[in-house]
Amino acid sequence: GQQVMQIPQYQHVQEGEDFTTYCNSSTTLSNIQWYKQRPGGHPVFLIQLVKSGEVKKQKRLTFQFGEAKKNSSLHITATQTTDVGTYFCAGPKGFQKLVFGTGTRLLVSP
Amino acid sequence: DGGITQSPKYLFRKEGQNVTLSCEQNLNHDAMYWYRQDPGQGLRLIYYSQIVNDFQKGDIAEGYSVSREKKESFPLTVTSAQKNPTAFYLCASSTTGENQPQHFGDGTRLSIL
Repeated sequence: GQQVMQIPQYQHVQEGEDFTTYCNSSTTLSNIQWYKQRPGGHPVFLIQLVKSGEVKKQKRLTFQFGEAKKNSSLHITATQTTDVGTYFCAGPKGFQKLVFGTGTRLLVSP
Repeated sequence: DGGITQSPKYLFRKEGQNVTLSCEQNLNHDAMYWYRQDPGQGLRLIYYSQIVNDFQKGDIAEGYSVSREKKESFPLTVTSAQKNPTAFYLCASSTTGENQPQHFGDGTRLSIL
């Protein structure tokens, strides 16, 4: 079945360092969504990418969709303690359903 | 303020007992979803509903049941047939249409007594 894997599973950085998580799908995706889940919280939608090779920025966060539309990445520049949480990518699975990636847990030390 | 309300926040289940988790939304969304999240893992789809009085099984529906009698409400029952129910349960909703972002409730943490 369709699988969405993320690497790394976990990363611990010092505040100010950069962070990148990678999302890889076993199938071509029409679009990809990214969510952030704070510890003890619920996933919150961050962004959706649709076009091949698309790059979108939200302040210190840069999201990229691969040319083949099978992978995506989220890069955070100069991490802050507020960036702590688990970042999930999610791809469509049929109409109105999503398959979530395995997630990357980010810990930021001050 | 529009949103999704899940209750209770914490729930304990005894052996052989069915428990029902509540999910209510006032976002006027047609589609609603239930996910299960185990520690350190991603979200797995249990059931989803695209419209009132209709719902479909997700990837891990065994041991669970749902109903969708009202647009605002999508309760999930964890039956005694679910042998490993300890998990974090998340309810979500979205507008109709392909690839719409999902909005999540705060979740219910279910444990076995």
